[in-house]
Amino acid sequence: DTGVSQDPRHKITKRGQNVTFRCDPISEHNRLYWYRQTLGQGPEFLTYFQNEAQLEKSRLLSDRFSAERPKGSFSTLEIQRTEQGDSAMYLCASTAPMGQGAPEAFFGQGTRLTVV
Amino acid sequence: DAKTTQPNSMESNEEEPVHLPCNHSTISGTDYIHWYRQLPSQGPEYVIHGLTSNVNNRMASLAIAEDRKSSTLILHRATLRDAAVYYCILRQGAQKLVFGQGTRLTINP
Repeated sequence: DTGVSQDPRHKITKRGQNVTFRCDPISEHNRLYWYRQTLGQGPEFLTYFQNEAQLEKSRLLSDRFSAERPKGSFSTLEIQRTEQGDSAMYLCASTAPMGQGAPEAFFGQGTRLTVV
Repeated sequence: DAKTTQPNSMESNEEEPVHLPCNHSTISGTDYIHWYRQLPSQGPEYVIHGLTSNVNNRMASLAIAEDRKSSTLILHRATLRDAAVYYCILRQGAQKLVFGQGTRLTINP
């Protein structure tokens, strides 16, 4: 397993367009998290899934944002009608089920979104 | 979410030990103390975590105060590759990680 994989690594889009990012977690990990990070700030939590169930969403996740994790495997994060303020690094992380040692989170390299 | 306080930045020299402090005076009994670091242009990376006792692994050591209101991440011999932002985070189980601003560590050659 090569770790958490995110695609694309970079995305430039025009304001008002829709974008979708994909995250492939480590295969046996049941929890998957999405974060957003702007320059000079720590990552901010957006949402997380346990298997296919979305268990928590941050207030940062406006109605233009939607995340899915069909079949509890990969996840997608879609942003509709992008705004310049959506420009950020979008990070995905996954953790193993509780009871399998320390549930450290493994992060992907992120998708850098630029809205022009 | 339980909060931590870290210095904004620290500087050290290559091959010297580095002690990164973290205060967490409102820690609860079930909070684990986690440390992550983020190298430039990369996602965060797990470093170490502990509950009450000091912990060692191949990357670092974690010293936890007896009252658990503070902790220190120790890098025994810093290298240039240790230059990163280090985050101290309180976490219960597999709950989400709540990142603060972290400490930006600069290593001088």
